[in-house]
Amino acid sequence: GAGVSQSPRYKVAKRGQDVALRCDPISGHVSLFWYQQALGQGPEFLTYFQNEAQLDKSGLPSDRFFAERPEGSVSTLKIQRTQQEDSAVYLCASIRLNPGLAVSYNEQFFGPGTRLTVL
Amino acid sequence: DQQVKQNSPSLSVQEGRISILNCDYTNSMFDYFLWYKKYPAEGPTFLISISSIKDKNEDGRFTVFLNKSAKHLSLHIVPSQPGDSAVYFCAATSPSNDYKLSFGAGTTVTVRA
Repeated sequence: GAGVSQSPRYKVAKRGQDVALRCDPISGHVSLFWYQQALGQGPEFLTYFQNEAQLDKSGLPSDRFFAERPEGSVSTLKIQRTQQEDSAVYLCASIRLNPGLAVSYNEQFFGPGTRLTVL
Repeated sequence: DQQVKQNSPSLSVQEGRISILNCDYTNSMFDYFLWYKKYPAEGPTFLISISSIKDKNEDGRFTVFLNKSAKHLSLHIVPSQPGDSAVYFCAATSPSNDYKLSFGAGTTVTVRA
């Protein structure tokens, strides 16, 4: 498809289990963002890639969260030893141009998200 | 620390009337503001935006107003239609922030027939 895809769409994990969430950005999109959306809240920034380089991970809540984008396309967000407070929708967004080169705010396209429930 | 605030969690409006959604921000470095619309089980989709050098931007039924001195923006939908029923998020960003978006908590709009 032409949009951002994420898998799985839903994930139920037992507390302490490791999970991996996948994001397939729009082909050719240079920058990729991960956001976490808790119930009743707006999305909150987690981390940002430009190609394969992780330029900002200031939003990752703990060292249990790890993200990678080894070939500059698909990205994986991994959460180790999941806790109940990790339950949220994890959104991925991609943007075509390097943000520093052109104003392209409008072109940040979001995937449908992965709803993670930790029991 | 919530830098973007939407203080009305919900709004109910009759079809054909105006919907007004409000948003306040605290970070004076923000220079670009966006509204996103979100349906259940879907990701947010871009609706309309405004640069800080403007005070109004219009796109069809949607108009965004920006009051920089008050650090306030609003989204007007006229006329409201049943398909407008969704959650609306206000977001803000700036070049110094690497364009990452800071979102409000959202306002759920219900358009009554």
